[in-house]
Amino acid sequence: NAGVTQTPKFRVLKTGQSMTLLCAQDMNHEYMYWYRQDPGMGLRLIHYSVGEGTTAKGEVPDGYNVSRLKKQNFLLGLESAAPSQTSVYFCASSLLAGVTGELFFGEGSRLTVL
Amino acid sequence: EDKVVQSPLSLVVHEGDTVTLNCSYEVTNFRSLLWYKQEKKAPTFLFMLTSSGIEKKSGRLSSILDKKELFSILNITATQTGDSAVYLCASKTSYDKVIFGPGTSLSVIP
Repeated sequence: NAGVTQTPKFRVLKTGQSMTLLCAQDMNHEYMYWYRQDPGMGLRLIHYSVGEGTTAKGEVPDGYNVSRLKKQNFLLGLESAAPSQTSVYFCASSLLAGVTGELFFGEGSRLTVL
Repeated sequence: EDKVVQSPLSLVVHEGDTVTLNCSYEVTNFRSLLWYKQEKKAPTFLFMLTSSGIEKKSGRLSSILDKKELFSILNITATQTGDSAVYLCASKTSYDKVIFGPGTSLSVIP
């Protein structure tokens, strides 16, 4: 049981390049989330999804796009990377009506934009 | 705009001390409050609180929610160096959006 898996774990991009981060969960969770974490700022919600085929904006959605074509996968795309998008990105998932409401996190993906 | 605020942002204590971490929230259609501990990597779950006044405990950690005053506290008694971490508070809002606060960085020195 892998839980939540993020790929890649590290990536260096040049300004203007594009890339996609993949989040995969094997727990049959309905909800999935993408966060970014910068020093001293906690986790800021980028986009989230409450089910296959649905997505919604979070607190800091600009510059990012997402897709949830399959229930187990949530993709985060950067169309034209900027240095301000240098961050650690975390994916999380949770059950539709879980007893604890707990979010299960991936190990994070460190992205550097030069 | 949904907001979660934590205080203090950083704290240094000696082993054996008791600490209280604060979390206040202003969110639309509050559903639950979550506490997480983050060391080097991904956050790990501590508590979920949905009802006022009911304390949740796990070992030396405990937490309580006040839905009238819109805040929660996390207490850690007899702190140990292994408690050094960033403690994150989050609120689940309407449409199942989960918003985190900035975190409290706790350092426990021997």
